[in-house]
Amino acid sequence: AIQMTQSPSFLSASEGDRITITCRASQAIRDNLAWLQQKSGQAPKLLIYAASNLQTGVPSRFSGSGSGTDFTLTIHSLQPEDFATYFCLQDFNYPRSFGQGTKVEIK
Amino acid sequence: EVHLVESGGGLVKPGESLRLSCAASGFTFSSYTMNWVRQAPGKGLEWVSLISSTSRYIYYADSVKGRFTISRDNAKNSLTLQMTSLRAEDTAVYFCVRDGVLPPHDSWGQGVRVTVSS
Repeated sequence: AIQMTQSPSFLSASEGDRITITCRASQAIRDNLAWLQQKSGQAPKLLIYAASNLQTGVPSRFSGSGSGTDFTLTIHSLQPEDFATYFCLQDFNYPRSFGQGTKVEIK
Repeated sequence: EVHLVESGGGLVKPGESLRLSCAASGFTFSSYTMNWVRQAPGKGLEWVSLISSTSRYIYYADSVKGRFTISRDNAKNSLTLQMTSLRAEDTAVYFCVRDGVLPPHDSWGQGVRVTVSS
C-alpha cells in the first residue's frame, strides 16, 4: 500500500500569510493526488484534484503542484475561513490512502 | 445539488454487525463510483471501500477486508456498507463519498457515527 506522508502536522500562521503544506508518496503516483480541507465538526471538502486542478467553487488563493512523489498545497494570503485541517489523498491505486493531516491554526 | 445522507450507525459490542446506508439524491447515482471513508475520534481520514457505478469493481482497505461488504442498489439510489465482526478500532464516523467524473471524493455526506464498545 502507498504511504502518504504530510508535513508539517501542525502549522501556526497569521491572516494574510502564504503557507505551504507538502505531501510525499512512498512510490510514484503520477499526478493522482488530491487535497481536501476539513473544518471542525464538518465533512471534508475537495479543494484540488489531479495535483493542480482547482475544484469548482474553490478560491484561487489555493493552488497545488507536484508530480511523482512530491506534492505541495499552497494557500496564498490565508483567510480566517482557511483555518482548518488539510489532507492529501492518493487515488493512483487501491487501497487509496490519505496523509495524516496538517492542522492550520491562528498564530 | 448533490445530497448524501448516511444512516444506520450506533453503539454495538465487539463481534457484532451493523449495516450502514447512504441515500443519494441530486445526481444520476447509477453513473458514479462511490466510497466509504471513516474517521476515528480525533484522528485522520481512512479510506474504507469503493464500488464502481455498475458494481463491477469493488475494493477494500486491508483493515476491513473479509469483514465489510460494500454494495449498491442503483434503482433505489442507495449505497450500503455491511460491517461484521466489528472491533473497537472500527469506532469512527463513516462518510459516504462520491467520486466525480474526474475528481475523486468530490461530494461527502455528513457522516454517521459507529461506536464499538463492550
